[in-house]
Amino acid sequence: DTAVSQTPKYLVTQMGNDKSIKCEQNLGHDTMYWYKQDSKKFLKIMFSYNNKELIINETVPNRFSPKSPDKAHLNLHINSLELGDSAVYFCASSQGARDQPQHFGDGTRLSIL
Amino acid sequence: GENVEQHPSTLSVQEGDSAVIKCTYSDSASNYFPWYKQELGKGPQLIIDIRSNVGEKKDQRIAVTLNKTAKHFSLHITETQPEDSAVYFCAASISTGNQFYFGTGTSLTVIP
Repeated sequence: DTAVSQTPKYLVTQMGNDKSIKCEQNLGHDTMYWYKQDSKKFLKIMFSYNNKELIINETVPNRFSPKSPDKAHLNLHINSLELGDSAVYFCASSQGARDQPQHFGDGTRLSIL
Repeated sequence: GENVEQHPSTLSVQEGDSAVIKCTYSDSASNYFPWYKQELGKGPQLIIDIRSNVGEKKDQRIAVTLNKTAKHFSLHITETQPEDSAVYFCAASISTGNQFYFGTGTSLTVIP
């Protein structure tokens, strides 16, 4: 009964490939996020969706495209992967986009060869 | 936008001692301050939070204090145990914004 689940947990792939990471939450939240955590552990927000609408789109290359088919899912598709994309990607959710606790998944470790 | 600074970046304490992690923020409109614990291979987990209308909050061995005037807030862990070893993040949320601004993290090691 994991609250925020991401798949896959590990993703190893070649430079130039296209890959997707899936995220699902069963908390009934209306807002979902994608974060990138680099090797220094910095957490950087990438995207946020509230009720399937994009509300935050930080400076992220347009090779990254989030898709929210419904409030419980926010998937991340990455085109033409580059070495610098290697990181841990976290999905999170909250009820409302302001002043509310965010619940994180356990991350997807992406390694680019 | 908001800027959150967190200190120290690493902290080692003996088991049973207390640990204190401090964060400062820049935007006086920030009104929600959560703290997260991240264990190896896991996502950040909320351990305690505080809102701007409260000066202190306690939950068993952990407590958070907030000084709105000075724009800083701190996490206090008493009677530390080896399982407290993790990376801790503070964050701030602006009442008119849509996101958290995270600190840079503190790697806490509790030495048995």
